[in-house]
Amino acid sequence: GQQVMQIPQYQHVQEGEDFTTYCNSSTTLSNIQWYKQRPGGHPVFLIQLVKSGEVKKQKRLTFQFGEAKKNSSLHITATQTTDVGTYFCAGLLIGGGSYIPTFGRGTSLIVHP
Amino acid sequence: SQTIHQWPATLVQPVGSPLSLECTVEGTSNPNLYWYRQAAGRGLQLLFYSVGIGQISSEVPQNLSASRPQDRQFILSSKKLLLSDSGFYLCAWSLTENTEAFFGQGTRLTVV
Repeated sequence: GQQVMQIPQYQHVQEGEDFTTYCNSSTTLSNIQWYKQRPGGHPVFLIQLVKSGEVKKQKRLTFQFGEAKKNSSLHITATQTTDVGTYFCAGLLIGGGSYIPTFGRGTSLIVHP
Repeated sequence: SQTIHQWPATLVQPVGSPLSLECTVEGTSNPNLYWYRQAAGRGLQLLFYSVGIGQISSEVPQNLSASRPQDRQFILSSKKLLLSDSGFYLCAWSLTENTEAFFGQGTRLTVV
């Protein structure tokens, strides 16, 4: 079935290094959302991208939506231990037969101090 | 402001026993409601969603069922739990399919 693929599954970094997670779909997306889930917690909404080529920033986090609206990325500059958690993308597929965003499997970020 | 309540936080149940998890939303009307399951170290699997009272859509056929007896109440049930039903169950709501979802604190279910 139609899916939203997210890579990598895990990423270990030293504190201060950068981190990027990628989200890809074979189908054009109406929009894409990003969530963060801290260990033992629940997913918390970070941002939504709607426009082709859109770039949004939240402090050290940069979110991009591809020109074809089939991929997206989340980049964290100079990671901190507070960035630890799993980052999920969720894409609303156009013509996918479902009106519910499809979640990627998430990228778990581990930051070593 | 809107809030979502989900309980219990943790639950240990024997195989074959029934299940009832409840989720309520405050501060909004006619929300979309969702039940997700997250296995250990895995992503979010959509189980059920509802766009209105009595309207339930199932994404994955399984041992579970959902009901929406009131506008802001969503219940996840099972008549007989299986070991494979263990996991982290999350309730969520959104205004529409195009807007962000707000998740409850989750219920960690262990079937023994």
